[in-house]
Amino acid sequence: NAGVTQTPKFRVLKTGQSMTLLCAQDMNHEYMYWYRQDPGMGLRLIHYSVGEGTTAKGEVPDGYNVSRLKKQNFLLGLESAAPSQTSVYFCASSYRRGVYNEQFFGPGTRLTVL
Amino acid sequence: AQSVTQLGSHVSVSEGALVLLRCNYSSSVPPYLFWYVQYPNQGLQLLLKYTSAATLVKGINGFEAEFKKSETSFHLTKPSAHMSDAAEYFCAVSEGYNTDKLIFGTGTRLQVFP
Repeated sequence: NAGVTQTPKFRVLKTGQSMTLLCAQDMNHEYMYWYRQDPGMGLRLIHYSVGEGTTAKGEVPDGYNVSRLKKQNFLLGLESAAPSQTSVYFCASSYRRGVYNEQFFGPGTRLTVL
Repeated sequence: AQSVTQLGSHVSVSEGALVLLRCNYSSSVPPYLFWYVQYPNQGLQLLLKYTSAATLVKGINGFEAEFKKSETSFHLTKPSAHMSDAAEYFCAVSEGYNTDKLIFGTGTRLQVFP
């Protein structure tokens, strides 16, 4: 059982380049989330999904797009990277909402935009 | 709107000393509260959660937290710190039973000195 995995672990981009971060989970969870973590700001929700084929905006969605074509995968895209998107990105998944919303996290992707 | 405040971005203790990490929340509905731990270069993992069953919650690695409604607090404690407890700790709140999201605090970095 791999849990939540993220690809890649590290990436350096130039301003204006695009990339996709892949998150995969093997726990058959319905809910998946993308967060960014910046010093002194905790985790901020970018986008999330409550099931295959559905996505919703979180707290800081601008500059990002997501897709959930398969239940086990949640992709985060940056169409035109900016230095402000330098951050550590975490994917998480959970079985369901509310009190059962224990989220399981991946190991993170460290992204630097020059 | 729900929010979480973690007092003290850094806490330092000696090995064997009491650990106290503070978390206060604001909520208009009964909250569900979580503590997560993040070890260096890793994702977050759940330490414990409060789901209204008992006000004193025991978690992994000897940590516990007490829900105090009158003080809107959910402080994390451990009687005797170990070097391996050095990590960043996040308090989070789930906005009621039927919510999709967690709101995270900004985190407290715990240092343990020998």
